[in-house]
Amino acid sequence: QKEVEQNSGPLSVPEGAIASLNCTYSDRVSQSFFWYRQYSGKSPELIMSIYSNGDKEDGRFTAQLNKASQYVSLLIRDSQPSDSATYLCAVPLFGNEKLTFGTGTRLTIIP
Amino acid sequence: GAGVSQSPSNKVTEKGKDVELRCDPISGHTALYWYRQSLGQGLEFLIYFQGNSAPDKSGLPSDRFSAERTGGSVSTLTIQRTQQEDSAVYLCASYLDRVDSDTQYFGPGTRLTVL
Repeated sequence: QKEVEQNSGPLSVPEGAIASLNCTYSDRVSQSFFWYRQYSGKSPELIMSIYSNGDKEDGRFTAQLNKASQYVSLLIRDSQPSDSATYLCAVPLFGNEKLTFGTGTRLTIIP
Repeated sequence: GAGVSQSPSNKVTEKGKDVELRCDPISGHTALYWYRQSLGQGLEFLIYFQGNSAPDKSGLPSDRFSAERTGGSVSTLTIQRTQQEDSAVYLCASYLDRVDSDTQYFGPGTRLTVL
């Protein structure tokens, strides 16, 4: 099992629909979780961080965390073509300072 | 500057040459990371600095790779005797390393091409 696992996609979603991105991680005691967005040819930018079980909402983005299931997800409501990018899940594992990144899910929003 | 900067933005070199990549973190950020991203791949951790010391250099692929940080600020990643498999985008990230601030901010990256 990969330490941080994401479906590589591509995931295609019609404009205006909800895009759902999923991530599982291997360390039961990880405490912080991050979603980065990376446009093609650009560097990653942080869009959401979550530390507690449940939902965290920021505009059209909602992060959902379930530590018991070792699962974190990102929902994008009212998807826009500008949301088309690769979304990277990142988790500090096993007490390490460094973030371990998933391989990313490529999302395409279809106008 | 307001963000993390890296130089050069692009570097083309011949196999066997040495290259040096530079990262200027956000002012005051104590922690600095180097990652590598090959085409279509995820981020591969290389090395982490806390101040000028490197508590974790476990991701450096071989002894051809080395990095240093001076003055708690600028970091350089050196690749000696470059190989074609070293071709990738090298990304630097910094963060403040405080309890209430653990967001990593990425630089624009250096695209390295080894011919």
